[in-house]
Amino acid sequence: EIVLTQSPATLSLSPGERATLSCRASQSINNYLAWYQQRPGQAPRLLIYDTFNRATGIPARFSGSGSGTDFSLTISSLEPEDFAVYYCQQRYTWPTFGPGTKVEIK
Amino acid sequence: QVQLVESGGGVVQPGTSLRLSCAASGFTFSTYGMQWVRQAPGKGLEWLAAVSPDGSDEHHADSVKGRFTISRDNSKSALYMQMNSLRAEDTAVYYCAKTSSNWLNDALDFWGQGTMVTVSS
Repeated sequence: EIVLTQSPATLSLSPGERATLSCRASQSINNYLAWYQQRPGQAPRLLIYDTFNRATGIPARFSGSGSGTDFSLTISSLEPEDFAVYYCQQRYTWPTFGPGTKVEIK
Repeated sequence: QVQLVESGGGVVQPGTSLRLSCAASGFTFSTYGMQWVRQAPGKGLEWLAAVSPDGSDEHHADSVKGRFTISRDNSKSALYMQMNSLRAEDTAVYYCAKTSSNWLNDALDFWGQGTMVTVSS
């Protein structure tokens, strides 16, 4: 099983600041990495698929990068609705999710 | 628009069975892979199972293999999860999700709102 590690566990930032979230895989996953956002009490929402492709309707302030085992999600300028938990997921093998990064208001 | 509506959750005793359903609408159900993902209270996401568009190919996570079975009925645009020998650790919100292509292991572009399963004596 491919293990995903996310860092930091919690990110405390203010609206308008830049957020950078990291996801590391236990082996190369050939860019088959997605990012999901989950707001409290809601289902997850697909943000980024295959490392850097934004899903339909996702604002341009969200961007993904990386390769091999190291990946990042960047939110260029945090909006109030962006404070949530973010999960990375690999599909190089049967899916696994990272433990999540909570982006909270500072 | 795409809608996925789960049902069938509830409170059950350990060792019993439950079948979850997911009613799909707003897209051509028979041309997309589907998956189940769960989330224990206060915890992260755990992938459970995937099924191909025609239902001929299915895969389950080791944690539920032999106890849970994913299936679909394309004539009803419905996804199912048969859960047997339930344990306390199966307590979670169960989400059905649509893959973004006809491949059963693709990104999940739409999710239902989830149904809660509580296993307790």
